[in-house]
Amino acid sequence: AQSVAQPEDQVKVAEGNPLTVKCTYSVSGNPYLFWYVQYPNRGLQFLLKYITGDNLVKGSYGFEAEFNKSQTSFHLKKPSALVSDSALYFCAVRLNILTGGGNKLTFGTGTQLKVEL
Amino acid sequence: EAGVTQSPTHLIKTRGQQATLRCSPISGHTSVYWYQQALGLGLQFLLWYDEGEERNRGNFPPRFSGRQFPNYSSELNVNALELEDSALYLCASNGIAGELFFGEGSRLTVL
Repeated sequence: AQSVAQPEDQVKVAEGNPLTVKCTYSVSGNPYLFWYVQYPNRGLQFLLKYITGDNLVKGSYGFEAEFNKSQTSFHLKKPSALVSDSALYFCAVRLNILTGGGNKLTFGTGTQLKVEL
Repeated sequence: EAGVTQSPTHLIKTRGQQATLRCSPISGHTSVYWYQQALGLGLQFLLWYDEGEERNRGNFPPRFSGRQFPNYSSELNVNALELEDSALYLCASNGIAGELFFGEGSRLTVL
């Protein structure tokens, strides 16, 4: 079964410091991995994806993610956090297309990022 | 280019009533995905429609149903509403590399 885990409910960092939001996955075959951000009472915004190729993926708003196949991880990173980055972050994995799920994504439980002054 | 649009933004119903939520995908996208985001339960997959057909559904009772119209817009119907149906319902359509683009959601409150 496909699954994704976000081990931290909340991450706090100071503005200007680097941030990491962790994600590990379990999927048969090659994974399609995604990060989304959700601001209060809003929909999800797509940040970045890993399909194949370079293990370091760059996305929107200065975010990047590192795919590590041996550790089955896809951690979200940003070199210098902003207060405006405070939001709920979701990691997601695409269901194996062979099981008939189309582009259905399975989401982690989310990590609340709080960036403090 | 317009993104995924959903209506209504908010909806208040009482137990036992029916709710109808609407979604228009990004122009050119033929698939629509529905998710439920209830407090404390994360994002749960509800339904997937493609080319007018229901292709897959999540672990939800039959009172959750929907359809997709010839113009690829979609409707989600929830019958016999229960208190625990209160949630943010999100609709998405898919890009060419598998990413989903979400609308702003419809907040359903069941009293």
